[in-house]
Amino acid sequence: QSALTQPASVSGSPGQSITISCTGTSSDLGDYNYVSWFQQHPGKAPKLMIYEVRNRPSGVSNRFSGSKSGNTASLTISGLQAEDEADYYCSSYTSSSTWVFGGGTKLTVL
Amino acid sequence: QVQLVQSGAEVKKPGASVKVSCKASGYTFTAYYIHWVRQAPGQGLEWMGIINPSGGSASYPQKFQGRVTMTRDTSTSTAYMELSSLRSEDTAVYYCARVGGSYYSLDYWGQGTLVTVSS
Repeated sequence: QSALTQPASVSGSPGQSITISCTGTSSDLGDYNYVSWFQQHPGKAPKLMIYEVRNRPSGVSNRFSGSKSGNTASLTISGLQAEDEADYYCSSYTSSSTWVFGGGTKLTVL
Repeated sequence: QVQLVQSGAEVKKPGASVKVSCKASGYTFTAYYIHWVRQAPGQGLEWMGIINPSGGSASYPQKFQGRVTMTRDTSTSTAYMELSSLRSEDTAVYYCARVGGSYYSLDYWGQGTLVTVSS
């Protein structure tokens, strides 16, 4: 199972919006609405930000939103804040009853 | 509150095995599946498998089959991940993570356990 494809890096200024893409195949992201997004600060464990494409866990800011079209899922962060600077990973359930992660995207807040 | 507390860092020689523990508290241990995920230094996340703490059944991706074993002890609410035939490429931080409201999400994570494989 190959990793999902994410851009290596994205950047934005405070207050702006950014979108991180996550591309899979018809065997994972394209066939299931079980896409999650995780935020990871250096030296910390990942934190769930979005599950099942667009759902936010309790306590996660509504500045974070998710969507999916075909084989590509997206995470949008609006009103960028300095604390959003982190690595972001997508994941998906697959037709092999396994999970697969994306390679990760480093978000820099300028 | 839900907590997953993992065992401490390990240093192992190539060819050895390592067993990492993940002690759960704040919820009914047998009610939620637990995943294991690893992250090599400076690299991304890699899924290693999932265990059902209720019955003990586990599922692993092909990459790790034959080398990883996930078990649990319901009397202590602890999940274990054992990786054998260690090589330098297995040097990584190993995380346990619990599913949440959705079976398909990883809601709660342990703090991670660094396993270093070096001769």
